[in-house]
Amino acid sequence: AQSVTQLDSQVPVFEEAPVELRCNYSSSVSVYLFWYVQYPNQGLQLLLKYLSGSTLVESINGFEAEFNKSQTSFHLRKPSVHISDTAEYFCAVGTGANNLFFGTGTRLTVIP
Amino acid sequence: DTAVSQTPKYLVTQMGNDKSIKCEQNLGHDTMYWYKQDSKKFLKIMFSYNNKELIINETVPNRFSPKSPDKAHLNLHINSLELGDSAVYFCASSQEHSQETQYFGPGTRLLVL
Repeated sequence: AQSVTQLDSQVPVFEEAPVELRCNYSSSVSVYLFWYVQYPNQGLQLLLKYLSGSTLVESINGFEAEFNKSQTSFHLRKPSVHISDTAEYFCAVGTGANNLFFGTGTRLTVIP
Repeated sequence: DTAVSQTPKYLVTQMGNDKSIKCEQNLGHDTMYWYKQDSKKFLKIMFSYNNKELIINETVPNRFSPKSPDKAHLNLHINSLELGDSAVYFCASSQEHSQETQYFGPGTRLLVL
């Protein structure tokens, strides 16, 4: 069985400060890893994903995440956040089937 | 040119009623999904469906039933609504395979009184 743990339910951070949102997973099979973002009153959008190859993946808006197999982690980072990054962030794991298993989400609040 | 659309956006109804939520995708995807997001933002898969099979999350009550008139649509029917059904319901679609990106609709906010 697969599971995803996001330990931080809320992360407040000042504008232009760095941020890390933590994600750990457990799985008995190979996984694909995703970060989705949900802006207020909207559906989820893919931020970035790891399928294979380089363990560091980047998004177009400055986020990056690193797959660490030994620590079963896929933490999301951004060196300098903007007000517009305020949103709910979900880590998810996929396996050979079509389903995704989502973490409980981390609410990122950027403070001006 | 919305990729995944849902109607209605808001739904307020009484306990015991039967209601439907519609979902359409124009991405040509093979697989569609329904998720339930509760008040704590926890997102849980309810169903996934493609041309070949319907996969049901075993925790979903049989009052919930997905119906797919064609590849681009997956509607959600809910019978005998209960207070605990109040949530945001998201439809999503993807190409078949778990490594493919899922595209989500805007959500339907259901409130059962």
